[in-house]
Amino acid sequence: RKEVEQDPGPFNVPEGATVAFNCTYSNSASQSFFWYRQDCRKEPKLLMSVYSSGNEDGRFTAQLNRASQYISLLIRDSKLSDSATYLCVVGGFGNEKLTFGTGTRLTIIP
Amino acid sequence: GAVVSQHPSWVICKSGTSVKIECRSLDFQATTMFWYRQFPKQSLMLMATSNEGSKATYEQGVEKDKFLINHASLTLSTLTVTSAHPEDSSFYICSALHTTSYEQYFGPGTRLTVT
Repeated sequence: RKEVEQDPGPFNVPEGATVAFNCTYSNSASQSFFWYRQDCRKEPKLLMSVYSSGNEDGRFTAQLNRASQYISLLIRDSKLSDSATYLCVVGGFGNEKLTFGTGTRLTIIP
Repeated sequence: GAVVSQHPSWVICKSGTSVKIECRSLDFQATTMFWYRQFPKQSLMLMATSNEGSKATYEQGVEKDKFLINHASLTLSTLTVTSAHPEDSSFYICSALHTTSYEQYFGPGTRLTVT
């Protein structure tokens, strides 16, 4: 079983729609959780950290369910600029290594 | 915001030669840096953890004698791909762990092509 699993997609979604991604992780001792976005041939960029209480940043909402070991990302009112690969990332505490999911490819269609 | 640079951004080399990639944290100190590799349509795979002033820790399956890592200062880590082969062609990305925020900042990556 992969340490971090995501549906690779692709998700082709019309502009303005709402889209949700899920991710599961296998290590119950994981302490830190993130969503990164990666554009083609670029480095990943942190989108948001994910907390047990859930957190929202504009059109983006992330949630963590520790009991079920899954993380979600919701994008509302999607924009063309949201087209990217979204990486679910799980880490330990402090300076422990990050484990990346394979990513979910999202394309927003005009 | 914190900035990490990598040099070169892309390199083409012949099989059997060695290539050095530099990773620098430009405006913060990083005692720990990470080296990742990403093959097309795959995710980032951690190769090794580089700690300033000590030996790097390599992930299972990564040859330490082939991928030499040196972290000689708090702002610079280097990865040398020795005796490169075409299968080493990949996108190499480093990240630097901010010593106070513990956030990882990624470099822009180095695209290596071995012919």
